[in-house]
Amino acid sequence: EAGVTQFPSHSVIEKGQTVTLRCDPISGHDNLYWYRRVMGKEIKFLLHFVKESKQDESGMPNNRFLAERTGGTYSTLKVQPAELEDSGVYFCASSQDWDRGNSPLHFGNGTRLTVT
Amino acid sequence: AQSVTQLGSHVSVSEGALVLLRCNYSSSVPPYLFWYVQYPNQGLQLLLKYTTGATLVKGINGFEAEFKKSETSFHLTKPSAHMSDAAEYFCAVSDRAGKLIFGQGTELSVKP
Repeated sequence: EAGVTQFPSHSVIEKGQTVTLRCDPISGHDNLYWYRRVMGKEIKFLLHFVKESKQDESGMPNNRFLAERTGGTYSTLKVQPAELEDSGVYFCASSQDWDRGNSPLHFGNGTRLTVT
Repeated sequence: AQSVTQLGSHVSVSEGALVLLRCNYSSSVPPYLFWYVQYPNQGLQLLLKYTTGATLVKGINGFEAEFKKSETSFHLTKPSAHMSDAAEYFCAVSDRAGKLIFGQGTELSVKP
């Protein structure tokens, strides 16, 4: 089975520009998550979709970040306008069911975002 | 609130030596605990997990971890390190809502 796919793998943009990251989860996985790792820090949760609905978006840093999952398949994460502190690696993960961990999260390779 | 502390951001061992990566957690509910590994330019891969039952958990690639409630620890071990084990390792706990809370990661180097 194909894994979680993220693109682009790298993105370098200037402060103030807009960037859209895309995640294709494993087929049939209703749960989709976004996480972020800022350099030198821990991986932090951003939000969780169940199908097309936002289950938990408590980790979204501010309203410059917009996540969508139209049709309950792939998801996009848009940053507009980007700031220097948005630089980091953005991970997407998916799982078939959620019961606190019995259904493991499958992670993509991440998108490395650099804002200059 | 849940939290995870990994002791040591960098650990270096010789090939064939014991690998010990330390993880302590804080959780207000019975914890579900995980170890993930990230090889260069790859995503996070699940090594092993503890949910309920046996406290000694075996994972892939010869790794295992023991859940010790009294010590709030979930240390990762491997009896004999291999060069291919060089990677970054993450301990995580899931909270009530199910999202993962990660430690800061430990980079493991293996010397020949």
